[in-house]
Amino acid sequence: IAGITQAPTSQILAAGRRMTLRCTQDMRHNAMYWYRQDLGLGLRLIHYSNTAGTTGKGEVPDGYSVSRANTDDFPLTLASAVPSQTSVYFCASSDSSELAGGWGEQFFGPGTRLTVL
Amino acid sequence: GQNIDQPTEMTATEGAIVQINCTYQTSGFNGLFWYQQHAGEAPTFLSYNVLDGLEEKGRFSSFLSRSKGYSYLLLKELQMKDSASYLCAVVDSNYQLIWGAGTKLIIKP
Repeated sequence: IAGITQAPTSQILAAGRRMTLRCTQDMRHNAMYWYRQDLGLGLRLIHYSNTAGTTGKGEVPDGYSVSRANTDDFPLTLASAVPSQTSVYFCASSDSSELAGGWGEQFFGPGTRLTVL
Repeated sequence: GQNIDQPTEMTATEGAIVQINCTYQTSGFNGLFWYQQHAGEAPTFLSYNVLDGLEEKGRFSSFLSRSKGYSYLLLKELQMKDSASYLCAVVDSNYQLIWGAGTKLIIKP
């Protein structure tokens, strides 16, 4: 059982390029999330999806888009990358029927380290 | 504004006990999570508190006081593998999850 996987592991990208970060889970969780993690800051939610076919904006959605065509996949797209999007990106999933108003115990992928030059 | 405060870094000795504090100022409260994150790895769930008191889980315990806006994570019998960052996160009254910046715990032999 893989749990939750992300690809690529790391990427160096020229500013202005388009990039899609991939995320796949095999736990049949209904909720999925994208976070960015920057030094000295807490995890910041970019976008989320409570169930397949629906998505919502988090704290820092500008410059990012997501889709949720099925339960397992939740790709994150940077339409035109900028240096401020240099970060570590984590995808997570949870069974949102558990705990804390639907947040649940989140299972995180290994992360994608993205550098935009 | 919403705020979660944790010490940036703490140092403790192998075999000892350490308490990592988390104070929060949020619009309401619907639960508090603790996660562990080893350097270069993903966060992993440790505990969840929604009622006041102490929740014990092996060497780790988590305490909550809602009236004081305060939680702590207590780690006993510290092992070198406990060197990691510990993240506190609070669910507010709008069911937003707010993360603290984390506490880096360094264990020395």
